[in-house]
Amino acid sequence: DVKVTQSSRYLVKRTGEKVFLECVQDMDHENMFWYRQDPGLGLRLIYFSYDVKMKEKGDIPEGYSVSREKKERFSLILESASTNQTSMYLCASTMGRGTNEKLFFGSGTQLSVL
Amino acid sequence: AQSVSQHNHHVILSEAASLELGCNYSYGGTVNLFWYVQYPGQHLQLLLKYFSGDPLVKGIKGFEAEFIKSKFSFNLRKPSVQWSDTAEYFCAVNPGRGTGGFKTIFGAGTRLFVKA
Repeated sequence: DVKVTQSSRYLVKRTGEKVFLECVQDMDHENMFWYRQDPGLGLRLIYFSYDVKMKEKGDIPEGYSVSREKKERFSLILESASTNQTSMYLCASTMGRGTNEKLFFGSGTQLSVL
Repeated sequence: AQSVSQHNHHVILSEAASLELGCNYSYGGTVNLFWYVQYPGQHLQLLLKYFSGDPLVKGIKGFEAEFIKSKFSFNLRKPSVQWSDTAEYFCAVNPGRGTGGFKTIFGAGTRLFVKA
């Protein structure tokens, strides 16, 4: 089965810190995604990547950037963390370019910014 | 903007009760529709999906969903719930065009609690 691994389950950071969230998938998937999950808001797409070094903004990219230097790894970067970025961050991947592809999710990183 | 609405944020049922979770979306074109489930302590996983053909689709664990195009709805059903169905359920829509096809849009989620 596909495995999407997020490097940390819980993170606590201070306001203004630069934060890196790492995600690795092991099944040679083309596309990778970063969502944030907030109670009452569901999942919102931050950024996605459909190829190495390619990235596209999602619906809420402000305050975030991403990096995809290798196909299996997709990093989310918070340049200067703020308290409103406290959230559960979910990484996901899909195999191909079809729009009916299911998303494979990681277990999530709960980030708290103090 | 495209959106997905889930009618209930919290649902409490007793075991063996029937379940129906409502989902409506706002996109007018061809769509791909999904229900995902997140069991306590586990990652999100696909329950079922619809992209063409029979509008009644069956998923894992006895769940089914019906796509009604005229109502822009994709409601999830299960005839008899079990305690193990306690989870959060997310309806999702993928518009399926260009890079927009990568943007799967999620509803706010419905937390289901099944009393034993």
